[in-house]
Amino acid sequence: AQSVTQPDIHITVSEGASLELRCNYSYGATPYLFWYVQSPGQGLQLLLKYFSGDTLVQGIKGFEAEFKRSQSSFNLRKPSVHWSDAAEYFCAVGGKTSYDKVIFGPGTSLSVIP
Amino acid sequence: GAVVSQHPSRVICKSGTSVKIECRSLDFQATTMFWYRQFPKQSLMLMATSNEGSKATYEQGVEKDKFLINHASLTLSTLTVTSAHPEDSSFYICSARGPSRDRGAYNEQFFGPGTRLTVL
Repeated sequence: AQSVTQPDIHITVSEGASLELRCNYSYGATPYLFWYVQSPGQGLQLLLKYFSGDTLVQGIKGFEAEFKRSQSSFNLRKPSVHWSDAAEYFCAVGGKTSYDKVIFGPGTSLSVIP
Repeated sequence: GAVVSQHPSRVICKSGTSVKIECRSLDFQATTMFWYRQFPKQSLMLMATSNEGSKATYEQGVEKDKFLINHASLTLSTLTVTSAHPEDSSFYICSARGPSRDRGAYNEQFFGPGTRLTVL
């Protein structure tokens, strides 16, 4: 069955500290992987995506993620967190065809301490 | 490019009334659109997949007669919540996916800003 897990429900980091948000997936075919960010009451913003090729993916706002097929993981990282990064982060997995659904993880809420 | 809009952004209605939410792809043609529901502090749950010109495919547990989906054109899908009740209050998000530009290429989903529905 297709699924996405984000082990950390809530994470608190100090501003300027590094960040890593974990994501594990289960998918029967070649996965297409995404990280989205959502501020309170807002829609989703795509941070980055992985389709193929280089397993280290660069995204917007200084975020990057690394695809590790052997671990079925796609963890999101940022070397130095800013207070404006406080939000909800969702990892998602989808398939290749037009009709493939995108399955979202439960989300990780990030708080940033000044 | 690849902008998806939703209207209205917020709606408050009385219990028992019907509410229509529009999802539009502004600068591309969307052969497939998806409707999600999000409860406070929870993830997005896929409700249904709509393909232009055909009936929507609903996820297990979603009432077809309560959540009517119409994808009448390549740029518009509508979700109508019929006989709304307070438990239908939620954040509804749509996404649109265009046709593959290249054979075998992945056609990405683009998300709308969401609609906050409150049923009194």
